[in-house]
Amino acid sequence: ETGVTQTPRHLVMGMTNKKSLKCEQHLGHNAMYWYKQSAKKPLELMFVYNFKEQTENNSVPSRFSPECPNSSHLFLHLHTLQPEDSALYLCASSQLYNEQFFGPGTRLTVL
Amino acid sequence: AQKVTQAQTEISVVEKEDVTLDCVYETRDTTYYLFWYKQPPSGELVFLIRRNSFDEQNEISGRYSWNFQKSTSSFNFTITASQVVDSAVYFCALGYGGGADGLTFGKGTHLIIQP
Repeated sequence: ETGVTQTPRHLVMGMTNKKSLKCEQHLGHNAMYWYKQSAKKPLELMFVYNFKEQTENNSVPSRFSPECPNSSHLFLHLHTLQPEDSALYLCASSQLYNEQFFGPGTRLTVL
Repeated sequence: AQKVTQAQTEISVVEKEDVTLDCVYETRDTTYYLFWYKQPPSGELVFLIRRNSFDEQNEISGRYSWNFQKSTSSFNFTITASQVVDSAVYFCALGYGGGADGLTFGKGTHLIIQP
């Protein structure tokens, strides 16, 4: 595997389900990010991790819970989501002070 | 607060035409970085360029060129002799710390190149 990978690529879940999105980077980077891309809205930064430490949380509802066990892996745990949370969730990584590289995203649909 | 505006929601041109995508940004910082990303239908954002606020030199890479003007807070992107494969959504973004902090994105411009 190369670059930034995300699994699953598509996810459909009910509002009472609990699921997790996974991101893995194979670039040796030390920072990882979660973004949300909704229709007709700019990409929204959700979380930032530098050296496994969360450095930014852009007022994201608590039903989204990130986890960064090491510098190569990033998770987004989902529970009790709402239909308006349906979106494309993008993971990115970067070497500190350099540009970000993005994964293909997970298309999430909340019923 | 920072903000990026891409006023062109959608542009449609015929193949081989030149096309310019506009980007205007707002920031109170003197040190910042500007980026362009391409998002093809597959969904993955592809990095195109990073420019820091102290470097106003225009850049050319093949058919792509970028015009950075601090006086007008703009960072425009031009594709020369467009091709169908250029069809995608293009995002302009603003960041700090070289982009290691989160980026602030514009809403994107959907570019359609017709054969």
